[in-house]
Amino acid sequence: AQSVTQLGSHVSVSEGALVLLRCNYSSSVPPYLFWYVQYPNQGLQLLLKYTSAATLVKGINGFEAEFKKSETSFHLTKPSAHMSDAAEYFCAVTPLGSSASKIIFGSGTRLSIRP
Amino acid sequence: DADVTQTPRNRITKTGKRIMLECSQTKGHDRMYWYRQDPGLGLRLIYYSFDVKDINKGEISDGYSVSRQAQAKFSLSLESAIPNQTALYFCATSDLRQGGAGELFFGEGSRLTVL
Repeated sequence: AQSVTQLGSHVSVSEGALVLLRCNYSSSVPPYLFWYVQYPNQGLQLLLKYTSAATLVKGINGFEAEFKKSETSFHLTKPSAHMSDAAEYFCAVTPLGSSASKIIFGSGTRLSIRP
Repeated sequence: DADVTQTPRNRITKTGKRIMLECSQTKGHDRMYWYRQDPGLGLRLIYYSFDVKDINKGEISDGYSVSRQAQAKFSLSLESAIPNQTALYFCATSDLRQGGAGELFFGEGSRLTVL
């Protein structure tokens, strides 16, 4: 069965430092891949998605993610963290050819930004 | 106004009470979903609906029921609430035409506490 693993339930970085949030999926066929962000007291919103086009995907707020088939990974990065990036981030996968109802969410990574 | 609106935003109730969470959307999407969020578990699908006449169970439907009153309205009911149903509940929508590659649009959540 499809699964998604986010390494690290909590990541803390200094303002201006690199942000790296890790996501690995289990599938022999590359799925659709997503990163969602949840700000405090809000619903989730899409940061970016991979749907078998370019392997480097750029999203909102300066985030990007690179799909690496050989590593079954889809890590999220941002070169320079800002205080407003503090939130919970969810990696998610949908098997190729499936409907959105088959989406599987990772357990989430809480990102804290130190002044 | 939000595209996906959930009411109530917060509710405290007692064991055995019937609770209804309501969701309405203005995005014009056919597909609607109810998810439950628990710390460290990500989001899990409770029920989903592809149109007014189509209701499907998700991963954790036991103890819950839903009603799709119209294309824009999808409500979740707990017939007899129990403490382990204390969680944050999200309604979401997606565009049929996007399939599994489509973005989920979330409401702001309904926090339910069962005492």
